[in-house]
Amino acid sequence: DAKTTQPPSMDCAEGRAANLPCNHSTISGNEYVYWYRQIHSQGPQYIIHGLKNNETNEMASLIITEDRKSSTLILPHATLRDTAVYYCIVRSSNTGKLIFGQGTTLQVKP
Amino acid sequence: NAGVTQTPKFQVLKTGQSMTLQCAQDMNHEYMSWYRQDPGMGLRLIHYSVGAGITDQGEVPNGYNVSRSTTEDFPLRLLSAAPSQTSVYFCASSYDVPQGGDRGYTFGSGTRLTVV
Repeated sequence: DAKTTQPPSMDCAEGRAANLPCNHSTISGNEYVYWYRQIHSQGPQYIIHGLKNNETNEMASLIITEDRKSSTLILPHATLRDTAVYYCIVRSSNTGKLIFGQGTTLQVKP
Repeated sequence: NAGVTQTPKFQVLKTGQSMTLQCAQDMNHEYMSWYRQDPGMGLRLIHYSVGAGITDQGEVPNGYNVSRSTTEDFPLRLLSAAPSQTSVYFCASSYDVPQGGDRGYTFGSGTRLTVV
């Protein structure tokens, strides 16, 4: 299973873009990158996923480098409600497993 | 469409007792997983299933059993509860491969288990 590396914590000013980086240098060609977030002790919430192209949805944008060894999650206009732990995960192509790392704690400040 | 339903939401057990945490999904997902989350920690995979009749171990399987007799249900059994199993347990389900419009794994709201 491909491992991911994320910074343990980040701060962002309310209204500004939050850019959360993730390294996944051992990713295989058919493995997807998924981003989830967890607010307090709720169940993780899906944000976005991608294979090789950049993706955008109503919550965020995902930028994947051409070599697929890293990606960045972008929250375009962070709000206080975006304060959460953000997990970058490479989903196993063989088993579909999601193995969570420690994630990045994003603190959005007024 | 209820998504992933976990029961009970809260449970207190005495050491040595056994119990089953229930998980059901109504999205016809092939994949289902169980995670535990200890205070201040990330989620760790206990067991997972890629379809009815097929299960496999995750990162921390000891002390837990699972079975998958139907697509919809994936119960987690604690054989002999220990204080170290005090945790929040999450069940999740997903399609087998990412699909158009797919939103990955859907998680339940969790079962908060305390073993005394």
